[in-house]
Amino acid sequence: GIQVEQSPPDLILQEGANSTLRCNFSDSVNNLQWFHQNPWGQLINLFYIPSGTKQNGRLSATTVATERYSLLYISSSQTTDSGVYFCAVLSGGSYIPTFGRGTSLIVHP
Amino acid sequence: DAGVIQSPRHEVTEMGQEVTLRCKPISGHNSLFWYRQTMMRGLELLIYFNNNVPIDDSGMPEDRFSAKMPNASFSTLKIQPSEPRDSAVYFCASSLLSGGTNIQYFGAGTRLSVL
Repeated sequence: GIQVEQSPPDLILQEGANSTLRCNFSDSVNNLQWFHQNPWGQLINLFYIPSGTKQNGRLSATTVATERYSLLYISSSQTTDSGVYFCAVLSGGSYIPTFGRGTSLIVHP
Repeated sequence: DAGVIQSPRHEVTEMGQEVTLRCKPISGHNSLFWYRQTMMRGLELLIYFNNNVPIDDSGMPEDRFSAKMPNASFSTLKIQPSEPRDSAVYFCASSLLSGGTNIQYFGAGTRLSVL
């Protein structure tokens, strides 16, 4: 099946810093989502982005499907951005998503 | 819409007891997914339903686990008998599957501890 790799696995930032999280996938995809799992464990949709670029406030995401990667940008990070960021993809006509192992982000005040 | 609703939020039980987790999907969604999350194994898909019919249950660990979706607004995941290794956070997600698209919305999860 498709492989999904996220990097870096861990990231520590000072409040106000910018960061880029990466999601690489081994095959073509027709569905890609970014999620934030907050420190209370809730999984929150950030973006549905199988291709192109989207922005929502301080967060933006870009997927280059032909090169099999997606990037999540966090600008002016805040302590509330702490948590784990997951990407999940669909491939090959399946409706079963494959999740990456996530990037754990800690933002210090 | 209130989103995906799971209950209970926390469950503590003793080994051997039956555990039932509940999920109410978002109204209008046609699919429901049950996941389990542990530190060791990450997020694993257990089973998913489309139009109330189980489509793929290959992730269900063993016969002790069963899931039902009697109607479009309710699903249960049952563990009988429970074991300590079942301790995990169980998530339910719903989506409207259409044309290769599966945009999932997760519930808050049920944290299960089996003593």
